[in-house]
Amino acid sequence: AQSVSQHNHHVILSEAASLELGCNYSYGGTVNLFWYVQYPGQHLQLLLKYFSGDPLVKGIKGFEAEFIKSKFSFNLRKPSVQWSDTAEYFCAVNAGYGGSQGNLIFGKGTKLSVKP
Amino acid sequence: GAGVSQSPSNKVTEKGKDVELRCDPISGHTALYWYRQSLGQGLEFLIYFQGNSAPDKSGLPSDRFSAERTGGSVSTLTIQRTQQEDSAVYLCASSLGRTGNEQFFGPGTRLTVL
Repeated sequence: AQSVSQHNHHVILSEAASLELGCNYSYGGTVNLFWYVQYPGQHLQLLLKYFSGDPLVKGIKGFEAEFIKSKFSFNLRKPSVQWSDTAEYFCAVNAGYGGSQGNLIFGKGTKLSVKP
Repeated sequence: GAGVSQSPSNKVTEKGKDVELRCDPISGHTALYWYRQSLGQGLEFLIYFQGNSAPDKSGLPSDRFSAERTGGSVSTLTIQRTQQEDSAVYLCASSLGRTGNEQFFGPGTRLTVL
């Protein structure tokens, strides 16, 4: 069965610090990869996604993620965080085209707290 | 345009009662998903609809849980004989197609079973 692991439960950073959130998945076939963010009191919204092509994908608000197939990883990065990045971040995967599953498999999430 | 909407936003019920949760997807989205978000469990997939059909019910935790979708639009998730462990936030998402397309999430229904 597919699974997603997020290594950090809670990360606390000061403003302007660099961010890297780890995500590893287990699935042998073609995958689509996503990072979603949930700001306090708001809906889950998409930060970025990888389907194919360039393994370095850029999303909204200066976030980027790199797909490393050999490591089954899709880590999220941001060079300089802001207080407004305080949120919970979820990594998710589903089977790529031709797969039987359309649903997302989520990691347990990483809470990011940015100190002003 | 309007996003995914869910109602009620909060539901408090007594153990053993039935509850119905509603989801209005984005117009034109053929795929609809239900997820559950609970402490310690993260986000769990419950059921997927393509149109009015549910080809994947693998995530429903027990036969107390059921869902339907009518007119390729609104979906209702029903939990019968609620238990305290059913307490969670129930999220609905919709997308243009099946695998690979972005899923847009609603605000969720927070269910508390006393």
